Amino acid sequence: EPEVTQTPSHQVTQMGQEVILRCVPISNHLYFYWYRQILGQKVEFLVSFYNNEISEKSEIFDDQFSVERPDGSNFTLKIRSTKLEDSAMYFCASSQTPNTEAFFGQGTRLTVV
Amino acid sequence: KQEVTQIPAALSVPEGENLVLNCSFTDSAIYNLQWFRQDPGKGLTSLLLIQSSQREQTSGRLNASLDKSSGRSTLYIAASQPGDSATYLCAVRSGGGADGLTFGKGTHLIIQP
Repeated sequence: EPEVTQTPSHQVTQMGQEVILRCVPISNHLYFYWYRQILGQKVEFLVSFYNNEISEKSEIFDDQFSVERPDGSNFTLKIRSTKLEDSAMYFCASSQTPNTEAFFGQGTRLTVV
Repeated sequence: KQEVTQIPAALSVPEGENLVLNCSFTDSAIYNLQWFRQDPGKGLTSLLLIQSSQREQTSGRLNASLDKSSGRSTLYIAASQPGDSATYLCAVRSGGGADGLTFGKGTHLIIQP
């Protein structure tokens, strides 16, 4: 069964460093998303991406964040100058359209020290 | 701004019982509602998607209903099993061109053997 895959599963980084989280969405899906979940809190929407551009972003997704689809399969989230409060589980998701079922990856646990 | 609330926050029942998880949302102008399961430290597994025009969806022992006008959805789990133990998340895609899902905080379910 097709699935969304994310790498790495766990990343530890020093405050101020840049990190890139990687995702391979389901191959016939057209919409890609990033969400985050701070420990003990709700899953929060960050950004959606369609046709090689950002479709929607939340107020969390500020200039510190960027997304890219560098090739036909990967979808990345870059976090510049990481802060302690960026520590969270980051989930990638994909769907054929925003109105169809969204499938999530297993997440990348980011720890900023 | 859409807000999603799930009640109860936690539930512990003996194996074999039928149970109902509740989800409410503040803005009834939604495109769809999706129920997920999250195991500890893991990703989100999609269970059911209900479009705004639908009243219910069924998958195996799971049945989800949607009353859009009152801003409510329920997830019914029949003949619960210990393997059903997980956190169940409700998420809505709001109207107005939004792509992202708004999540509730979840119901932490424990099924006692």
